[in-house]
Amino acid sequence: AQSVAQPEDQVNVAEGNPLTVKCTYSVSGNPYLFWYVQYPNRGLQFLLKYITGDNLVKGSYGFEAEFNKSQTSFHLKKPSALVSDSALYFCAVFPGADKLIFGTGTRLQVFP
Amino acid sequence: DARVTQTPRDKVTEMGQEVTMRCQPILGHNTVFWYRQTMMQGLELLAYFRNRAPLDDSGMPKDRFSAEMPDATLATLKIQPSEPRDSAVYFCASGLGEREETQYFGPGTRLLVL
Repeated sequence: AQSVAQPEDQVNVAEGNPLTVKCTYSVSGNPYLFWYVQYPNRGLQFLLKYITGDNLVKGSYGFEAEFNKSQTSFHLKKPSALVSDSALYFCAVFPGADKLIFGTGTRLQVFP
Repeated sequence: DARVTQTPRDKVTEMGQEVTMRCQPILGHNTVFWYRQTMMQGLELLAYFRNRAPLDDSGMPKDRFSAEMPDATLATLKIQPSEPRDSAVYFCASGLGEREETQYFGPGTRLLVL
């Protein structure tokens, strides 16, 4: 079955430190991969996506994600976290046929 | 700045009442999705449309939920009769479908059924 896993319900990091939010997927073929962010009382906001090419994808707000085909992972990263990065982050995969498959979300808490 | 809009933003109603949520997709987008978000279930896809035609509504309770696109600029999600378990945030998202997979989400309708 096609699925996306975000193994951490919450990630805590101090401001200024690097952050990583993990995502692994189980989809056949070469899916497209996405990260979305949800701030409180807001809809999901597109951050970045991987389709093909360079395994390191850069997105909005200084975020980047690294695609690793052998590990079927697409981890979200940022070199220096900000308190304003605190939000709910969703990984998603597009296996084809219209629909995105979303992970369960990881809450990122950045402490001053 | 093109955005998906949703109305109402908040809705409180009593069990048994009809609820209608509206969504205006981004102009030019031909695919519209309805999602429901709860703490327990996370983000669930309820239904989606391409060029106003329903393609998949398997995630939607058929007995009480209905989704339509009266025209290209309006999508509606109705619940009749509403139940307390329908309390959730309902999101609409739009996209360019086969040409582009990215979905753009509206701000959501927060529904509370008492």
